[in-house]
Amino acid sequence: GDSVTQTEGQVALSEEDFLTIHCNYSASGYPTLFWYVQYPGEGPQLLFRASRDKEKGSSRGFEATYDKGTTSFHLRKASVQESDSAVYYCALSDLGTGSKLSFGKGAKLTVSP
Amino acid sequence: GGIITQTPKFLIGQEGQKLTLKCQQNFNHDTMYWYRQDSGKGLRLIYYSITENDLQKGDLSEGYDASREKKSSFSLTVTSAQKNEMAVFLCASSIGTVSYEQYFGPGTRLTVL
Repeated sequence: GDSVTQTEGQVALSEEDFLTIHCNYSASGYPTLFWYVQYPGEGPQLLFRASRDKEKGSSRGFEATYDKGTTSFHLRKASVQESDSAVYYCALSDLGTGSKLSFGKGAKLTVSP
Repeated sequence: GGIITQTPKFLIGQEGQKLTLKCQQNFNHDTMYWYRQDSGKGLRLIYYSITENDLQKGDLSEGYDASREKKSSFSLTVTSAQKNEMAVFLCASSIGTVSYEQYFGPGTRLTVL
C-alpha cells in the first residue's frame, strides 16, 4: 500500500541553522503530498501541500518541492527560529488510499537560542 | 473559520472499561476522522466517515467502535481499555477527500490504570 518514510525522532538545531527533514513516498498512483506541523498541546495543522511533479509548496519560510523522479518531498528552511520547534509530519493521499491520509512517523524539531 | 472541539481533554479509565470520546466540528465538513497518536509511531487512522451515518474502518479499528450521529459530530468508543495504555486521540474533519486539507482538534489524552 501507499506509505511515507521520513526523518524520524529528534532533530536538534541552533537558531539560524539550515533545516532539512527528508520525506520519501511510495504510491501506486499520483499522490498529493502534505507537510503538517504540530505544536505542543495542539493538533497537527497544514503547513502546505503539492499535487504535481515539480510543484513547490511553501509557508512561513518552509518549502518543499514535489519530485516524482526521486519520489521525494523534503522539507527545508534556510534559517530556523526557536518558534519553529514542533513535530513535523509528511503525509500523502491519493485514490489508492481512498479518503485516507498516510502519515510518516514524525520528526521532533528542537531549536535552541 | 471553524473549530473542532474534543471532549474530554483528559480521560482516565480502568482496564476493561468502555470509554467514549466525542468530537464536534462547525466547519460544516462532510468527512470526519479519528486518529490515534503514539510517541514514535505517528498518526494511525482508526475510523472515518464520509458523510452522516457512514462509517469506514481505518488501519487500527480493532478494539474500537465509532458513531456519526449527525454531520457535525463523530464519537469514538474504546470497547475495552487495555492496562497501561496511553495515547492521544485526534479528531479531524475535511471538506472532501483525497487532496483536501484536514483540520484537527486538540486531542483527548487517554490513560488506562
